[in-house]
Amino acid sequence: DAGVTQSPTHLIKTRGQQVTLRCSPKSGHDTVSWYQQALGQGPQFIFQYYEEEERQRGNFPDRFSGHQFPNYSSELNVNALLLGDSALYLCASRSGTAMYGYTFGSGTRLTVV
Amino acid sequence: KNQVEQSPQSLIILEGKNCTLQCNYTVSPFSNLRWYKQDTGRGPVSLTIMTFSENTKSNGRYTATLDADTKQSSLHITASQLSDSASYICVVSMEYGNKLVFGAGTILRVKS
Repeated sequence: DAGVTQSPTHLIKTRGQQVTLRCSPKSGHDTVSWYQQALGQGPQFIFQYYEEEERQRGNFPDRFSGHQFPNYSSELNVNALLLGDSALYLCASRSGTAMYGYTFGSGTRLTVV
Repeated sequence: KNQVEQSPQSLIILEGKNCTLQCNYTVSPFSNLRWYKQDTGRGPVSLTIMTFSENTKSNGRYTATLDADTKQSSLHITASQLSDSASYICVVSMEYGNKLVFGAGTILRVKS
């Protein structure tokens, strides 16, 4: 049973470019959340998707957008990249009906140069 | 304000020794508390999870405690190993598990 799968593992982009990160949730999970984790910091909540809609959003600008597909997989898009966007981006999934049970992916390391 | 504070910020111990990490939270409504281990550049891996009514939960050499009255939790690591070197993050769930509040983590380094 595969856990949460994220791709790519590492990514280097130039300032001003756009990037798309992908996440496949754990089997049986239908809710996907995205987090940004700067070096040495705890993860910061970006947004959560359920039933293909953004349900909750953290304090991130509109440059950060996402999508959830009918198979529950999700994408995180970041436009007009800034140097400060360099971070580990984590995807976490759970079953919408579960009280707990978030499973995290290994993350995508994004470096903006 | 919903917050999770962890201490110490970092810790160095000798292999074989025990250590205890602390987590204080001000999160409401409380749903559950989880300790995660995160290796550098990797996603967090769950160690223990406790609900309001649970005081202690063990997972091998890891033992977590929860005092819901004082809103404090601890993670005790017994007979540390080099592979225990990682960041340990305390995460409190609120709103029936739907929202997570993360601590900044404690960086543990185990030396031989």
